Amino acid sequence: RKEVEQDPGPFNVPEGATVAFNCTYSNSASQSFFWYRQDCRKEPKLLMSVYSSGNEDGRFTAQLNRASQYISLLIRDSKLSDSATYLCVASTGGYNKLIFGAGTRLAVHP
Amino acid sequence: DVKVTQSSRYLVKRTGEKVFLECVQDMDHENMFWYRQDPGLGLRLIYFSYDVKMKEKGDIPEGYSVSREKKERFSLILESASTNQTSMYLCASSTRDRDVDTQYFGPGTRLTVL
Repeated sequence: RKEVEQDPGPFNVPEGATVAFNCTYSNSASQSFFWYRQDCRKEPKLLMSVYSSGNEDGRFTAQLNRASQYISLLIRDSKLSDSATYLCVASTGGYNKLIFGAGTRLAVHP
Repeated sequence: DVKVTQSSRYLVKRTGEKVFLECVQDMDHENMFWYRQDPGLGLRLIYFSYDVKMKEKGDIPEGYSVSREKKERFSLILESASTNQTSMYLCASSTRDRDVDTQYFGPGTRLTVL
């Protein structure tokens, strides 16, 4: 079983739609969580960290449920430029080692 | 602005060749990482280094070695390339500050082994 699991998608949504991604992690010792964004043929870049209390950054909202060991990302009012692969990431601390999910692909169409 | 650079964007090698992938960061980061990324498998950690001359195995170190002689430079070595090492290789760096987990990635090297 993978340590971090995501639905690979693709999620095909129209502009303006709200879309949600979920991710589960298996290591209960995981301490920190993140969403990274990876555009086609580009490197991953940090989108946002995920806090236990939930956090929002503009149109993006991230939630963490430690009891169920899942993380979510909600994107409101989708833009064409949101089309990318979204990587769910967990860290158990220690030298900042990160465990990446395989990614969920989002395609926003006009 | 933070910067991680990798020596090549695309590389084609033959089976059995020795391959060097170079990564340089200009952020004075202590930690550096090498990953490979394959479709459906995501990023998998090959090796990492938390200081000069220090190295630790990641999840898939077999067939690879690394070198960190200077803080800013982390090299990945394929001693004898094989076709199953055809992949996208990504280097990343991060600070030792435990409150700052962000890893910064280089643009990647797409390696094809024939």
